[in-house]
Amino acid sequence: NAGVTQTPKFQVLKTGQSMTLQCAQDMNHEYMSWYRQDPGMGLRLIHYSVGAGITDQGEVPNGYNVSRSTTEDFPLRLLSAAPSQTSVYFCASSSLRKSTPGELFFGEGSRLTVL
Amino acid sequence: SQQGEEDPQALSIQEGENATMNCSYKTSINNLQWYRQNSGRGLVHLILIRSNEREKHSGRLRVTLDTSKKSSSLLITASRAADTASYFCATDATGGYNNLIFGAGTRLAVHP
Repeated sequence: NAGVTQTPKFQVLKTGQSMTLQCAQDMNHEYMSWYRQDPGMGLRLIHYSVGAGITDQGEVPNGYNVSRSTTEDFPLRLLSAAPSQTSVYFCASSSLRKSTPGELFFGEGSRLTVL
Repeated sequence: SQQGEEDPQALSIQEGENATMNCSYKTSINNLQWYRQNSGRGLVHLILIRSNEREKHSGRLRVTLDTSKKSSSLLITASRAADTASYFCATDATGGYNNLIFGAGTRLAVHP
């Protein structure tokens, strides 16, 4: 099993450009989410989804869009990149079945720099 | 907003010593989790403790939870150089599902 796969691993953008970070999981998890990690601040939740067609905002959603057309994929779109969006982005997934403990499975991260 | 805050921010020890990291949180929780992150990698789940549990063990890991003090500790016994990583506590956020609130982490360095 590949688990959670994120692409690209590194990306440099200019201010105002748009791009999409891809995330795919092969564990049939209902729940998927995007976090950003900034130095000294831990991880902050951007958006999450509990199933195909269902998304919701997290703590820091401004400037980002998501969609969930399939169980496997949960792309994160930056609409107009700003230097404040320079960060490392992590996709995570988990099962929502009551029999499972709720641990998150993370991808390896996508390091984004906005100039 | 950060729910969990780890203490210390950084810890440097020798191989074979024990490492203790603490986490405090602000609101009531259903469970608390600890994750590990090697440099440049994603987070890996270590252990989950439910709010009605006081202590849990997994290999060389021991986690305690004191809900009255809103605090948890992670003990790694007989540390190895391979334990060098950042360790994060995470609590379940209000709103349900599996949204987690992470602390800023403790950077652990284990020297051979």
